[in-house]
This record gives sequence, C-alpha cells and structure tokens, in this order.
Amino acid sequence: GAVVSQHPSWVICKSGTSVKIECRSLDFQATTMFWYRQFPKQSLMLMATSNEGSKATYEQGVEKDKFLINHASLTLSTLTVTSAHPEDSSFYICSARSPGLSEKLFFGSGTQLSVL
Amino acid sequence: SQQGEEDPQALSIQEGENATMNCSYKTSINNLQWYRQNSGRGLVHLILIRSNEREKHSGRLRVTLDTSKKSSSLLITASRAADTASYFCATRLLVGATNKLIFGTGTLLAVQP
Repeated sequence: GAVVSQHPSWVICKSGTSVKIECRSLDFQATTMFWYRQFPKQSLMLMATSNEGSKATYEQGVEKDKFLINHASLTLSTLTVTSAHPEDSSFYICSARSPGLSEKLFFGSGTQLSVL
Repeated sequence: SQQGEEDPQALSIQEGENATMNCSYKTSINNLQWYRQNSGRGLVHLILIRSNEREKHSGRLRVTLDTSKKSSSLLITASRAADTASYFCATRLLVGATNKLIFGTGTLLAVQP
C-alpha cells in the first residue's frame, strides 16, 4: 500500500522560532498533498492543498505567511510554521493521494507541535 | 462550515457488541469515506461508498449511505478492544480542479474488554 512518512513526530520549540515539518510519499508520486490541523479531541481541519511545482491553495482563515508550504518534488511537501506562538501548538497531519488509488487519502503519522 | 456532524460524539460498548456511528453532511457528494484514528496517530482509510451506492461491506464493517437525507452510518460488528479509536467520516468535495476531503467531527469509540 501507499506509505506517507511524516517527520518529526513531535517537536517542542520556543516562541518566535520556526519549525519545519516534512511529509514524504515513500512509494508513490504525489502531485497533491494536504495539510490538516487537529486540536485535542476534535476533527481535522484542512489548512491547505499543496500542489507540486506551484503555489499552495490555502483554506479561508489560514495565514499563508504563517504556514509556509513548499512542494518542490513529487514526493516531498514541507510545512513551515513561522514565528511560532503557543496558540500554534497543535497536531499537524499531512496526507497524499496515490495516483492509482486517487479516491482515498494516505496519512502521515502526524506531528505534535508544542510551542513554549 | 462545510464540516459534517457525527453522532454520537463518544460511544462505549463491551467487546462483542456492535457499534453504530452516524454521519450527516451538508453538500452533494461524489463519495463518502470512513477513516479510523488511533490516539496521537494519523488516519487510516477504512471504506469508501459512492453516491450511487446504498450499502457496502468490508469484513466486520458495514456502511450505508442515504443521499436523500445526506447521512451515512458505519456499523462495526462483533467489536474488539483493538477497535478502540476515533472514527471520522469524510466527504469528497469537488472544488475547481482540486478534490478535497472534508472530515466530520468524529466519534470516539471505546470497546471495553
């Protein structure tokens, strides 16, 4: 099956620093990846759609300068939380579609970000 | 909000019992999917049902879809302790050239051994 790897699994950082989260499709090429944010005991909220070779499409209310997304290759998308603040603390999850199984999403294991 | 609603929010049952979760959504859909999430982990796809289907089975899972009521249900039969997880429905929206999945609010299932 399609495998999506996400790193790091957890990160603790100081307020004001930037954090980069990587999402890799290991055995397939993903032209589109999705980034979600999840608060404790809540659902996933779509933040943005990452498109290989072009700009990401952000959902309403998501600051593009705050959450920088880069999808430079068919197997890697990165989310950078810039100038992180405690309110950015959350669980971030990426997902991707495999071209041959385009209906369903394959998820990374998530990144728990804690901003002190 | 595009997000769907699920009920119950939490469900606690004994091992061997059946668990039923319901999902309601707001817009017309191409398909509806169910995912499972273990605590602190990513999601795993369980089953997909298309808008022209009414029922689908996969192992101990049974999914129904009623497009007239914009609702779906997930039945897990003969539950096991290992089924303990959060379950989310997700609807596929077609927006421009990018297909997105919008997730419901989720049901937290606890199966007591």
